[in-house]
Amino acid sequence: KQEVTQIPAALSVPEGENLVLNCSFTDSAIYNLQWFRQDPGKGLTSLLLIQSSQREQTSGRLNASLDKSSGRSTLYIAASQPGDSATYLCAVRRGGSRLTFGEGTQLTVNP
Amino acid sequence: NAGVTQTPKFRVLKTGQSMTLLCAQDMNHEYMYWYRQDPGMGLRLIHYSVGEGTTAKGEVPDGYNVSRLKKQNFLLGLESAAPSQTSVYFCASSYALESYEQYFGPGTRLTVT
Repeated sequence: KQEVTQIPAALSVPEGENLVLNCSFTDSAIYNLQWFRQDPGKGLTSLLLIQSSQREQTSGRLNASLDKSSGRSTLYIAASQPGDSATYLCAVRRGGSRLTFGEGTQLTVNP
Repeated sequence: NAGVTQTPKFRVLKTGQSMTLLCAQDMNHEYMYWYRQDPGMGLRLIHYSVGEGTTAKGEVPDGYNVSRLKKQNFLLGLESAAPSQTSVYFCASSYALESYEQYFGPGTRLTVT
Protein backbone atom coordinates (compact mmCIF):
# COMPACT_ATOMS: atom_id res chain seq x y z
CA LYS A 1 0.00 0.00 0.00
CA GLN A 2 1.33 3.39 -1.00
CA GLU A 3 2.07 5.74 1.88
CA VAL A 4 2.99 9.39 1.51
CA THR A 5 4.71 11.35 4.27
CA GLN A 6 5.35 15.06 4.44
CA ILE A 7 7.91 16.63 6.73
CA PRO A 8 7.71 18.97 8.51
CA ALA A 9 4.04 19.10 9.48
CA ALA A 10 4.33 22.82 10.11
CA LEU A 11 6.90 25.46 9.23
CA SER A 12 7.17 29.14 10.14
CA VAL A 13 9.71 31.35 8.37
CA PRO A 14 10.39 35.08 7.99
CA GLU A 15 9.52 36.77 4.73
CA GLY A 16 12.21 36.52 2.07
CA GLU A 17 13.60 33.19 3.19
CA ASN A 18 14.10 30.31 0.77
CA LEU A 19 12.56 27.07 2.00
CA VAL A 20 12.19 23.40 1.16
CA LEU A 21 9.21 21.15 1.79
CA ASN A 22 9.71 17.40 1.74
CA CYS A 23 7.55 14.55 0.50
CA SER A 24 8.41 10.85 0.62
CA PHE A 25 6.52 7.84 -0.73
CA THR A 26 6.95 4.13 -0.14
CA ASP A 27 6.21 2.67 -3.59
CA SER A 28 8.32 4.05 -6.44
CA ALA A 29 6.02 2.65 -9.17
CA ILE A 30 4.23 5.94 -9.79
CA TYR A 31 2.97 7.74 -12.90
CA ASN A 32 3.52 11.20 -11.51
CA LEU A 33 3.60 13.40 -8.42
CA GLN A 34 1.55 16.52 -7.95
CA TRP A 35 2.05 19.40 -5.51
CA PHE A 36 -1.01 21.33 -4.34
CA ARG A 37 -1.67 24.39 -2.28
CA GLN A 38 -4.70 24.62 0.05
CA ASP A 39 -5.79 27.83 1.70
CA PRO A 40 -7.92 27.60 4.87
CA GLY A 41 -11.49 26.60 4.07
CA LYS A 42 -10.71 26.36 0.36
CA GLY A 43 -10.15 23.72 -2.27
CA LEU A 44 -6.85 22.48 -3.67
CA THR A 45 -4.92 24.44 -6.26
CA SER A 46 -2.49 22.49 -8.41
CA LEU A 47 1.01 23.97 -8.35
CA LEU A 48 3.24 21.54 -10.20
CA LEU A 49 2.95 18.14 -11.82
CA ILE A 50 6.07 16.00 -12.31
CA GLN A 51 5.89 12.94 -14.52
CA SER A 52 7.77 9.84 -13.41
CA SER A 53 10.28 10.35 -16.23
CA GLN A 54 11.09 13.90 -15.16
CA ARG A 55 13.51 15.14 -12.52
CA GLU A 56 12.07 18.59 -11.87
CA GLN A 57 9.49 21.18 -12.79
CA THR A 58 9.56 24.94 -12.29
CA SER A 59 6.86 27.57 -12.09
CA GLY A 60 7.85 31.06 -11.07
CA ARG A 61 9.39 30.93 -7.59
CA LEU A 62 8.50 27.27 -7.20
CA ASN A 63 10.71 24.34 -8.12
CA ALA A 64 9.75 20.73 -7.53
CA SER A 65 12.14 17.82 -7.85
CA LEU A 66 11.50 14.11 -8.04
CA ASP A 67 13.82 11.21 -7.20
CA LYS A 68 11.64 8.22 -7.94
CA SER A 69 14.22 5.60 -7.01
CA SER A 70 14.56 6.94 -3.48
CA GLY A 71 10.88 7.82 -3.16
CA ARG A 72 11.41 11.52 -2.53
CA SER A 73 10.22 14.86 -3.81
CA THR A 74 10.98 18.38 -2.66
CA LEU A 75 9.19 21.66 -3.24
CA TYR A 76 11.53 24.64 -3.15
CA ILE A 77 10.01 28.08 -2.62
CA ALA A 78 12.32 30.99 -3.32
CA ALA A 79 12.04 34.39 -1.64
CA SER A 80 8.97 33.46 0.38
CA GLN A 81 6.13 35.97 0.81
CA PRO A 82 3.26 36.21 3.33
CA GLY A 83 0.91 35.28 0.49
CA ASP A 84 2.64 31.89 0.31
CA SER A 85 1.15 30.99 3.69
CA ALA A 86 -1.01 27.91 3.14
CA THR A 87 -0.95 24.14 3.50
CA TYR A 88 1.08 22.37 0.84
CA LEU A 89 0.09 18.84 -0.14
CA CYS A 90 1.88 16.33 -2.27
CA ALA A 91 0.12 13.42 -3.95
CA VAL A 92 1.38 10.50 -6.00
CA ARG A 93 -0.52 8.77 -8.76
CA ARG A 94 -0.32 5.07 -9.54
CA GLY A 95 -2.53 2.97 -11.77
CA GLY A 96 -6.30 3.08 -11.39
CA SER A 97 -6.43 6.88 -11.54
CA ARG A 98 -6.01 7.21 -7.82
CA LEU A 99 -4.05 9.93 -6.03
CA THR A 100 -2.54 9.13 -2.63
CA PHE A 101 -2.04 12.24 -0.53
CA GLY A 102 0.29 13.20 2.25
CA GLU A 103 -1.13 15.07 5.23
CA GLY A 104 0.50 18.31 4.21
CA THR A 105 2.90 20.93 5.51
CA GLN A 106 1.33 24.04 7.01
CA LEU A 107 3.51 26.98 6.01
CA THR A 108 3.42 30.39 7.68
CA VAL A 109 5.49 33.23 6.23
CA ASN A 110 5.80 36.07 8.69
CA PRO A 111 6.09 39.69 7.44
CA ASN B 1 -14.53 28.26 -17.66
CA ALA B 2 -15.88 27.68 -14.18
CA GLY B 3 -13.67 24.59 -13.77
CA VAL B 4 -14.98 22.24 -11.10
CA THR B 5 -17.95 23.42 -9.07
CA GLN B 6 -19.66 21.79 -6.09
CA THR B 7 -23.05 22.30 -4.49
CA PRO B 8 -23.89 22.85 -1.74
CA LYS B 9 -20.95 24.55 0.01
CA PHE B 10 -22.18 23.74 3.51
CA ARG B 11 -24.75 21.35 4.92
CA VAL B 12 -25.83 20.11 8.32
CA LEU B 13 -27.65 16.77 8.50
CA LYS B 14 -29.14 14.76 11.28
CA THR B 15 -28.17 11.11 11.68
CA GLY B 16 -30.19 8.98 9.29
CA GLN B 17 -31.01 11.74 6.82
CA SER B 18 -30.01 11.47 3.19
CA MET B 19 -28.52 13.96 0.77
CA THR B 20 -26.79 14.27 -2.58
CA LEU B 21 -23.71 16.32 -3.35
CA LEU B 22 -23.38 17.56 -6.91
CA CYS B 23 -20.12 18.03 -8.78
CA ALA B 24 -19.98 19.63 -12.21
CA GLN B 25 -17.04 20.26 -14.55
CA ASP B 26 -16.91 22.15 -17.82
CA MET B 27 -13.51 20.96 -19.04
CA ASN B 28 -14.78 17.89 -20.91
CA HIS B 29 -12.83 15.63 -18.56
CA GLU B 30 -13.40 11.90 -18.71
CA TYR B 31 -12.34 11.10 -15.15
CA MET B 32 -14.07 12.40 -12.03
CA TYR B 33 -13.42 11.68 -8.34
CA TRP B 34 -14.86 12.17 -4.88
CA TYR B 35 -12.50 12.59 -1.91
CA ARG B 36 -13.05 13.29 1.74
CA GLN B 37 -10.61 15.24 3.90
CA ASP B 38 -10.35 14.63 7.62
CA PRO B 39 -7.85 15.97 10.18
CA GLY B 40 -4.95 13.56 10.59
CA MET B 41 -6.14 11.37 7.70
CA GLY B 42 -5.41 13.52 4.67
CA LEU B 43 -7.54 13.21 1.55
CA ARG B 44 -8.94 9.78 0.79
CA LEU B 45 -10.65 8.62 -2.38
CA ILE B 46 -14.30 7.58 -1.94
CA HIS B 47 -15.42 6.70 -5.48
CA TYR B 48 -14.34 7.62 -8.96
CA SER B 49 -15.55 7.42 -12.54
CA VAL B 50 -13.57 6.87 -15.73
CA GLY B 51 -16.42 7.88 -18.02
CA GLU B 52 -20.12 8.52 -18.40
CA GLY B 53 -22.13 5.65 -16.98
CA THR B 54 -19.20 4.08 -15.11
CA THR B 55 -18.22 4.22 -11.44
CA ALA B 56 -15.71 2.44 -9.24
CA LYS B 57 -14.91 2.16 -5.55
CA GLY B 58 -12.02 3.99 -4.00
CA GLU B 59 -10.36 3.63 -0.63
CA VAL B 60 -13.35 4.45 1.63
CA PRO B 61 -16.58 3.72 -0.30
CA ASP B 62 -18.81 2.37 2.49
CA GLY B 63 -21.91 4.44 3.20
CA TYR B 64 -21.73 6.31 -0.11
CA ASN B 65 -23.15 5.82 -3.59
CA VAL B 66 -22.34 7.65 -6.80
CA SER B 67 -23.75 8.15 -10.25
CA ARG B 68 -22.36 9.54 -13.51
CA LEU B 69 -25.34 9.88 -15.82
CA LYS B 70 -23.82 12.80 -17.71
CA LYS B 71 -20.16 13.30 -18.53
CA GLN B 72 -20.03 16.69 -16.83
CA ASN B 73 -21.72 15.67 -13.57
CA PHE B 74 -20.74 13.30 -10.76
CA LEU B 75 -23.14 12.84 -7.85
CA LEU B 76 -22.26 11.58 -4.39
CA GLY B 77 -25.11 10.26 -2.27
CA LEU B 78 -25.41 9.53 1.41
CA GLU B 79 -28.44 7.32 1.99
CA SER B 80 -28.37 7.33 5.79
CA ALA B 81 -25.91 9.85 7.17
CA ALA B 82 -23.76 8.99 10.19
CA PRO B 83 -21.62 11.26 12.41
CA SER B 84 -18.53 9.51 11.01
CA GLN B 85 -19.35 11.09 7.65
CA THR B 86 -18.76 14.56 9.01
CA SER B 87 -16.01 15.78 6.74
CA VAL B 88 -15.06 18.10 3.91
CA TYR B 89 -15.83 16.55 0.54
CA PHE B 90 -13.88 17.43 -2.58
CA CYS B 91 -14.66 16.61 -6.16
CA ALA B 92 -11.93 16.48 -8.80
CA SER B 93 -11.65 15.80 -12.50
CA SER B 94 -8.96 15.05 -15.06
CA TYR B 95 -8.37 13.99 -18.64
CA ALA B 96 -8.39 10.31 -19.39
CA LEU B 97 -4.70 9.55 -18.99
CA GLU B 98 -2.83 9.05 -15.74
CA SER B 99 -0.24 11.59 -16.86
CA TYR B 100 -2.68 14.48 -16.55
CA GLU B 101 -3.20 16.52 -13.40
CA GLN B 102 -6.37 16.54 -11.34
CA TYR B 103 -8.37 19.72 -10.83
CA PHE B 104 -10.29 20.18 -7.60
CA GLY B 105 -13.53 21.89 -6.65
CA PRO B 106 -13.90 24.24 -3.64
CA GLY B 107 -15.32 21.57 -1.33
CA THR B 108 -18.49 20.87 0.63
CA ARG B 109 -18.36 21.01 4.40
CA LEU B 110 -20.78 18.45 5.82
CA THR B 111 -21.67 18.08 9.47
CA VAL B 112 -23.78 15.15 10.68
CA THR B 113 -25.21 15.55 14.17
